Amino acid sequence: NAGVTQTPKFQVLKTGQSMTLQCAQDMNHEYMSWYRQDPGMGLRLIHYSVGAGITDQGEVPNGYNVSRSTTEDFPLRLLSAAPSQTSVYFCASSTYGAPGQAGFSYGYTFGSGTRLTVV
Amino acid sequence: DAKTTQPNSMESNEEEPVHLPCNHSTISGTDYIHWYRQLPSQGPEYVIHGLTSNVNNRMASLAIAEDRKSSTLILHRATLRDAAVYYCILRDLIPSNTGKLIFGQGTTLQVKP
Repeated sequence: NAGVTQTPKFQVLKTGQSMTLQCAQDMNHEYMSWYRQDPGMGLRLIHYSVGAGITDQGEVPNGYNVSRSTTEDFPLRLLSAAPSQTSVYFCASSTYGAPGQAGFSYGYTFGSGTRLTVV
Repeated sequence: DAKTTQPNSMESNEEEPVHLPCNHSTISGTDYIHWYRQLPSQGPEYVIHGLTSNVNNRMASLAIAEDRKSSTLILHRATLRDAAVYYCILRDLIPSNTGKLIFGQGTTLQVKP
């Protein structure tokens, strides 16, 4: 299993450009999330999904769109990049199951991040 | 969302035990207590979680107060590789809420040789 794969690892955008950060997981996890982490700060939740076709806003959703057409993929779209969106972006996924089930794990698995700079 | 409170930073000596505290006085009956850590320049890594009873795994132990309003992550023998930011987070068991994992500022652990 590859786990959670994020692409690209690095990206430089000009103000006003749009782009999509890709996130894929091969663990058949129901839950997927996007976070941003500014330098020296903690992680802030942008959007999350509890299953294919279902998404919801997190703490800082403005300027970002998401969709979840398949279980495996959860792309994050920046509509019109701004310097304030310069950050490291992390994607994460998790399953949900009944405690006590064999192999039950309730932790989120994170990708290695995308470092985005908007100039 | 239920909140957690952690010290901003802690120091430890290598090969000594470390006790990282977390207060969560507004925890609800459906909240699991999760701990994650983030090594420098990496994504967060799941460490351990629990509901009511103390938990052990290969990475750490989690001690949960009887009233569940506080918990302690225990690293039994700190190594230099354990220097990281440690996050204590509450995750709701209810399926419609459980996708929303909110991070606080965490505790930065320094390990001295």
